[in-house]
Amino acid sequence: QQQVKQSPQSLIVQKGGIPIINCAYENTAFDYFPWYQQFPGKGPALLIAIRPDVSEKKEGRFTISFNKSAKQFSLHIMDSQPGDSATYFCAASNPGTYKYIFGTGTRLKVLA
Amino acid sequence: NAGVTQTPKFQVLKTGQSMTLQCAQDMNHEYMSWYRQDPGMGLRLIHYSVGAGITDQGEVPNGYNVSRSTTEDFPLRLLSAAPSQTSVYFCASSSGGGPSSYNEQFFGPGTRLTVL
Repeated sequence: QQQVKQSPQSLIVQKGGIPIINCAYENTAFDYFPWYQQFPGKGPALLIAIRPDVSEKKEGRFTISFNKSAKQFSLHIMDSQPGDSATYFCAASNPGTYKYIFGTGTRLKVLA
Repeated sequence: NAGVTQTPKFQVLKTGQSMTLQCAQDMNHEYMSWYRQDPGMGLRLIHYSVGAGITDQGEVPNGYNVSRSTTEDFPLRLLSAAPSQTSVYFCASSSGGGPSSYNEQFFGPGTRLTVL
């Protein structure tokens, strides 16, 4: 069974802090690793994504760090804001399978 | 563009009842999929389609049927609802070869289903 393991399950930080969410995978054939952000009552929306040929990708305050040898990737949120309070999902896809495998999600709360 | 739309937003069923969750997209996407979201389980793929007339099973297909007669619509049918199917259901679509081709998946707003 292909899996993506996500931690922590929940996270509380102060405004301005840098929450870090980690994901680990097993299948070395995965070649696309997106992160999704979900607000209560809404569907997930793509936040940022990375391919395994790069070790880091930044978009605004969001950064993905990727460690291919360790089969791990993480999301960092710089200067976090209360508006970043949401559930974050990592995912991975396998070429030719037409499928995403999602992590179990991290509920982030940023205190004002 | 309305993007991905889902109806209804909420539904309560009794055990054994049947119903269809509707999903439509206006982005001319070839790939569409259905997920269920349960606490602590993340999003799990139920069924997906790579084009009109082509569907396949995902991770948790039992108890659900799908069909894809048009590019725009991808309904999910529960033939005999069970309490274990209480969940939030999301439909998603993407262009080209789907998520495994680096294409962004766009999600609908979800349907919250309760089976008593």
